[in-house]
Amino acid sequence: GDSVTQMEGPVTLSEEAFLTINCTYTATGYPSLFWYVQYPGEGLQLLLKATKADDKGSNKGFEATYRKETTSFHLEKGSVQVSDSAVYFCALNYGGATNKLIFGTGTLLAVQP
Amino acid sequence: DAGVIQSPRHEVTEMGQEVTLRCKPISGHNSLFWYRQTMMRGLELLIYFNNNVPIDDSGMPEDRFSAKMPNASFSTLKIQPSEPRDSAVYFCASSPGTGYNSPLHFGNGTRLTVT
Repeated sequence: GDSVTQMEGPVTLSEEAFLTINCTYTATGYPSLFWYVQYPGEGLQLLLKATKADDKGSNKGFEATYRKETTSFHLEKGSVQVSDSAVYFCALNYGGATNKLIFGTGTLLAVQP
Repeated sequence: DAGVIQSPRHEVTEMGQEVTLRCKPISGHNSLFWYRQTMMRGLELLIYFNNNVPIDDSGMPEDRFSAKMPNASFSTLKIQPSEPRDSAVYFCASSPGTGYNSPLHFGNGTRLTVT
């Protein structure tokens, strides 16, 4: 079945460091891909998305490129801040008649000042 | 826009008791989702509704769980009887439609503890 695999955390970085969180997926078709972020005590929020191969999603300095050849959607940011500390979830769905998201297990990012 | 509203934020109950979790989706959204989050299993989709109709309940763990959406502005998730393994954070989410261009908007969750 379809699934999303993320790198295990926690990822601990110093402020202004470069961030990469790996995400790969297994899908029978051509899904859309998403990154959601969850701050402590809150629900998930959409961070960025890409709907087809080679698309790049970006928001708040974060970027991810839909790589069909490697079935990946790695999240990157050039310079992290303490306020970026959160859990990041990679997800996929097929849209169409359904909006059923399949999530990865989440990666905790802790940024130290 | 008040966002998706869930209540209660925290619920502590004893094994065997009935638990009801509530959700008010964003006005105008016609899809609603219930997710469960645990350390062991991550985020699991329990059930989702489209236009108040349950579309897929294959994620509901067992008959002790039931969900209803009597109207477009309210949904409940009920556990009866509750068990300690039901302890988790339960999220409700809504979206304005189907398809990948309709991102999910999550509530802040209900943290359920069953002792």
